[in-house]
Amino acid sequence: AQSVTQLDSQVPVFEEAPVELRCNYSSSVSVYLFWYVQYPNQGLQLLLKYLSGSTLVESINGFEAEFNKSQTSFHLRKPSVHISDTAEYFCAVSGTNNNDMRFGAGTRLTVKP
Amino acid sequence: EAQVTQNPRYLITVTGKKLTVTCSQNMNHEYMSWYRQDPGLGLRQIYYSMNVEVTDKGDVPEGYKVSRKEKRNFPLILESPSPNQTSLYFCASRGQGLYGYTFGSGTRLTVV
Repeated sequence: AQSVTQLDSQVPVFEEAPVELRCNYSSSVSVYLFWYVQYPNQGLQLLLKYLSGSTLVESINGFEAEFNKSQTSFHLRKPSVHISDTAEYFCAVSGTNNNDMRFGAGTRLTVKP
Repeated sequence: EAQVTQNPRYLITVTGKKLTVTCSQNMNHEYMSWYRQDPGLGLRQIYYSMNVEVTDKGDVPEGYKVSRKEKRNFPLILESPSPNQTSLYFCASRGQGLYGYTFGSGTRLTVV
C-alpha cells in the first residue's frame, strides 16, 4: 500500500515570498500523485496532479510540483504567494488502479501581510 | 453545476442513535468514496464504491456501513455511533478514467 508524509504541519510565510510545501511518498508500485487545497469550511479541491510524462506539473494559479522518482518526492512550490493562498494543502498518492487514494496529514499555509 | 452534495452539513447526536449521512453526485461518476478528516491525521478512507452494488473497505471501516443502490447516491450509515466517530466527513466521486476526486463540502459530526 502507498503512504504519504508531509514534512511540515504549518508553514508561515510573508506575502510575495516563495514557498515550498514538502511531500514524500512510499510505494512499491507505480503511482499517481496529487495536491489538493482546502479553504476554510470547504471541501478539498484538486490543485494539480502527476500521472505520467513531464515531471513538472503546474496549476492555473501559479503553483507547481515536481515528481522526483529517485527521492520519492512531490514538493509543491510557488515563487510568490498571496494572502488568498492561505489554506490547508494535502498531498495524496494512489496506485495506478486509483481506488486507494491516501492523503498526507496536511500542511497549513498561512500567508501574512 | 457539477457537484457532490452531502447532508447534513452539521450534526450533533448521542451515542448509539443510528444516523445516515447522505451523498449525491450529478456527474454520472462510477467511483465514490467516504473519508474522515481528523487533526494531524489528514484524510482516511472509510469505504469506496467502484459502481452500483460494488463496495469495498478503506483503511478505517469499523463502525460504518455503506450502500450503493443507485449510481448517484452513496450514503454513509453509522448504526451505533460512538464519541470516537466525532469527525469531519467528506464524500467524493470521480469518473472512469478521471484521476482525482471531486469532494463534497463536508459533514461535521459530533457524537456526545
